Amino acid sequence: QVQLVQSGAEVKKPGSSLKVSCRAFGGSFSTSAYNWVRQAPGHGLEWMGSLLPFFGTPKYAQNFQGRVTITADENTNTAYMELSSLTSDDTAVYFCAKGASTSSPFDSWGQGTLVTVSS
Amino acid sequence: QSVLTQPPSASGTPGQTVTISCSGSSSNIGTNTVNWYQQLPGTAPRLLIQNNGQRPSGFPDRFSGSKSGTSASLAISGLQSEDEADYYCAAWDDSLSSPVFGGGTKLTVL
Repeated sequence: QVQLVQSGAEVKKPGSSLKVSCRAFGGSFSTSAYNWVRQAPGHGLEWMGSLLPFFGTPKYAQNFQGRVTITADENTNTAYMELSSLTSDDTAVYFCAKGASTSSPFDSWGQGTLVTVSS
Repeated sequence: QSVLTQPPSASGTPGQTVTISCSGSSSNIGTNTVNWYQQLPGTAPRLLIQNNGQRPSGFPDRFSGSKSGTSASLAISGLQSEDEADYYCAAWDDSLSSPVFGGGTKLTVL
């Protein structure tokens, strides 16, 4: 079973950017898809995008195109999600989740990272 | 507005069977498999049912999933207090080329 450990909570100013990390322990990092899913307070799950490091080409949800960047460092088995031009609507818990591919079930999840956007 | 439609809430008493529905369309549930996730309060979601009806190790056979046409359902039998959680359905959507989620169903054990 793969364990995903995410970076800690952050407070951001409107207009700034955030970068959340997700380190994988166990399994084959390069041949798994790392998805990012966010959950606004009191709301459901929203897929943001994914990256399978072996292929290197990320895929993004239409709602986040142009604002989100997903990368991976195969040397440290860490996936990253960067979101720019933050507004208060981006206040949410951000999860990374692993699957065999982007269309596969998300079989391992990180603990979540709370991001608060406030002036 | 979620692509997949779930009832916002469901409830039952201990020992009962509860069913949660998930409605989609031909571009998602109609042509792809459905997964279900359980999210206990204050925790990350966990994969509960994959590929319509397969249970990953760690979940008892009280949990079962099924799919018919463009709808799916999750059944929980022998309801227990620890089943109180939010449940989400998900599927790949061919039109969006992305996974989509239901809005989630909050299960209360009375």
